[in-house]
This record gives sequence, structure tokens and C-alpha cells, in this order.
Amino acid sequence: RKEVEQDPGPFNVPEGATVAFNCTYSNSASQSFFWYRQDCRKEPKLLMSVYSSGNEDGRFTAQLNRASQYISLLIRDSKLSDSATYLCVVSTRADTGRRALTFGSGTRLQVQP
Amino acid sequence: EAGVTQFPSHSVIEKGQTVTLRCDPISGHDNLYWYRRVMGKEIKFLLHFVKESKQDESGMPNNRFLAERTGGTYSTLKVQPAELEDSGVYFCASQRTALSTQYFGPGTRLTVL
Repeated sequence: RKEVEQDPGPFNVPEGATVAFNCTYSNSASQSFFWYRQDCRKEPKLLMSVYSSGNEDGRFTAQLNRASQYISLLIRDSKLSDSATYLCVVSTRADTGRRALTFGSGTRLQVQP
Repeated sequence: EAGVTQFPSHSVIEKGQTVTLRCDPISGHDNLYWYRRVMGKEIKFLLHFVKESKQDESGMPNNRFLAERTGGTYSTLKVQPAELEDSGVYFCASQRTALSTQYFGPGTRLTVL
């Protein structure tokens, strides 16, 4: 079983639509949670951190449910420029002190005109 | 502030040859991570440096991989001898402190023929 599970998609949505991505993680000791965005053949870039209280950044809302080990990302009023792969990422502190990131395989979003 | 840089951007080599990848982190970032994405799989952790010290290399696939970080500045990842399954994209990420954001370089796309 993968440590971070995501629906690979693709999600094909029209401009202006609202789209939601979900993710589950298996390590209950995970401490930090993120959504990264990756454009084709580019590096991952941090979209937003995810907190238990939920957080919003413009059209993007992220939620974390620690009891269910579930993370979500909601994108409202989709733009063509939102087309990308969205990576669900968790971080767990190892005994060595490292906080390497564990990635899901990503959910592909294609916003269409 | 300059971002994380990686060299080369692409490398095509034959099985059995040696390749060295380089990463220059953001200045002042003590933490440096190497990750790899092989075809069809998620991005996975390889190893972690704090300054010049290897903190954790539990993700290194085998002893054909050797990473160094001379003087706590840039890092190199050498693959010797390369095998077909080493093909993929190698990302480097740097981080100022253990709790701050990891910034990724553009990656090196390695193809082993």
C-alpha cells in the first residue's frame, strides 16, 4: 500500500468549475501536510500547506482530517492556468531528524475553455 | 534570491557508464534533499544532508549511488555504473531550517540506454 494515495485522474473540467481532490495517508505519525503543484516537465512547487483548522488562499481551500488521515483540496472558479498535476505531500519526522517529503503520485487536472 | 539550480538538465548515457548530477541549493539553506521520480511512479526520497553531513540516506536504492556535499554548499550525486532502471528525473530540494519550505530545483532528466 502506498503511503500517500491519490486518484490519478485526469479531471477534465470547464473554466469556472469547482473541482475537489482527495488524498489519504497511511502514517498516523505524519506531522505536516501540503499540496504541491507540478506543471509538465517542471519541478514541484508548493501550492499551500494544510492545517487541521482548514485554510484558504484565494480560490484554493485545503482541509485536513487527522482522524481519517484524509486531505482535500478545493479549487473554485477554475482557470485555464490551473491545469497541472496536484501532488498531495506529507512530512514525517524521522529519528534522524529529517523531514523528507512523501509524495502521492499526483492528480492531473485539465481545465478546458 | 536565486533558486535551486541543477546541472545538467538532461543526460543520456549508456548502461555501465558513470554520471554525476549537481545541485546548488539556495544560499544559506543548510538542508539539502535528493529525490527521484522514475517513470510512472511517485517522487521518492533518496537522501538528506544537513550542511556537509549525511543525515539520512535510507532512500538510496543501492551502493551504485554516491552523494556528497563538499563544504556544505553544492551537492553531487554520482551513479556508477548506471543501469536501465536508474532512468528518471532527479530533483534536489533545499530548505533553510527543518520546518521551513522545501524549494525544488528544475531536476535532471536521466536516460540510461
